[in-house]
Order: sequence, then structure tokens, then C-alpha cells
Amino acid sequence: AQSVAQPEDQVNVAEGNPLTVKCTYSVSGNPYLFWYVQYPNRGLQFLLKYITGDNLVKGSYGFEAEFNKSQTSFHLKKPSALVSDSALYFCAVRDIGTGGFKTIFGAGTRLFVKA
Amino acid sequence: DGGITQSPKYLFRKEGQNVTLSCEQNLNHDAMYWYRQDPGQGLRLIYYSQIVNDFQKGDIAEGYSVSREKKESFPLTVTSAQKNPTAFYLCASSISVGGFGNQPQHFGDGTRLSIL
Repeated sequence: AQSVAQPEDQVNVAEGNPLTVKCTYSVSGNPYLFWYVQYPNRGLQFLLKYITGDNLVKGSYGFEAEFNKSQTSFHLKKPSALVSDSALYFCAVRDIGTGGFKTIFGAGTRLFVKA
Repeated sequence: DGGITQSPKYLFRKEGQNVTLSCEQNLNHDAMYWYRQDPGQGLRLIYYSQIVNDFQKGDIAEGYSVSREKKESFPLTVTSAQKNPTAFYLCASSISVGGFGNQPQHFGDGTRLSIL
């Protein structure tokens, strides 16, 4: 069965410092991996995805993610955090076994960026 | 602008009552989804539809029903059989068909359902 884990419920970082939000996955084949962000009382917004190719993926708002096949990880990173980055972040893996229609989401990691 | 519209934003249900949550998209997407979000549990799939007049149960379909009569619309009914319906409900859509599994989902802004 495919799964995704976000080991940290919460990440705290000071504004201007680099941030990392961790994600590990388990799939039977090649993974399609995604990061989404959610602001209070809003839906999820797509940040970036890894399908194939370069292990470092760049996305919206200065975020990037590094795909590591040997460690089955897809950590989200940003070189310099902003207070406005404070939100709930979800890692997700697409279940290719259902023809790509079913996405499995992690439990989410809440990011707090302090001024 | 293209997007997904969910209504109402807030909804209250009485005991024994069915309520219907609306989801409309103008992105011309074939696939649509309903998720339930509870604190600390991420998103759980209720139902999904790959094409008009077809839908499949997700992981927590009991107590819910859907229809897909039009490409643009995918309403969710929370029936009285759902004993713990208080949650944030999110509708999403994506380009469908086989190899487009690499495309992200687009989400509405959710409906918050509470019990009176």
C-alpha cells in the first residue's frame, strides 16, 4: 500500500532562516509526489511536484523540494523563511495503482515563522 | 477566472437531517473529488469521479452519497447515517485520464459542517 508520512506536527523557524518540512513516502513503483499549502479556512494550494528528472524541484513562492530515492524522502525547503509562510503544509503521493486518480495525503505539518 | 466554488461556506445539520454540499468547477476537468479534513488527520477521500455519470467510493464513503450528472458539478450529501459529520469538507478537481496522474489537484475553499 502506498503511504506518506510527515514526522513533524509543527516546525518553528525564525524569519530569514532556512526552513525544512520533512516528508517520507512508500510506493510500489515510481512515485508522483506533491506539496500543497493550506491557509486558515481555505483550500489547499499546489506548490510543486516531482514526476521524473532532476531531484531538486522548484515551485511557487520560492519553495523547492529535494527528491531522494534511496531515503524515500521529498523534503520541502526554502532558503529564507517569511512570516507569511506560516501555514499548514501537506505532502502527497499519487497512487498509480488506481490509474493516478487517488492521492494519499500526509497528516500535515504546521509551520510557524516568527518575526 | 477558472476555479472551484464550494457552497455554503458554513453549514449546520440537525439530528436526522440530510444536507447537501455544493461543488462547481469551470476548469473543464474530468475528475472530481471530495475530502474530509479533521484536525491532525490530513485529508481523507470520501468519493471520487473520473467522468460524468460515474463515481467510486473512497476510504470513508459510509454515510455519504454523491452524484455526477454534469461535468461541472459534484454535490456531496451527508446523510443522517453519518454519525460524526462535523468536519471541514474540501472538493477538488484534476485533469483526468491515465497518464495525467502527474497533474495536481485544484481545491475549493471548503465547507465547514457542524452539528446543532
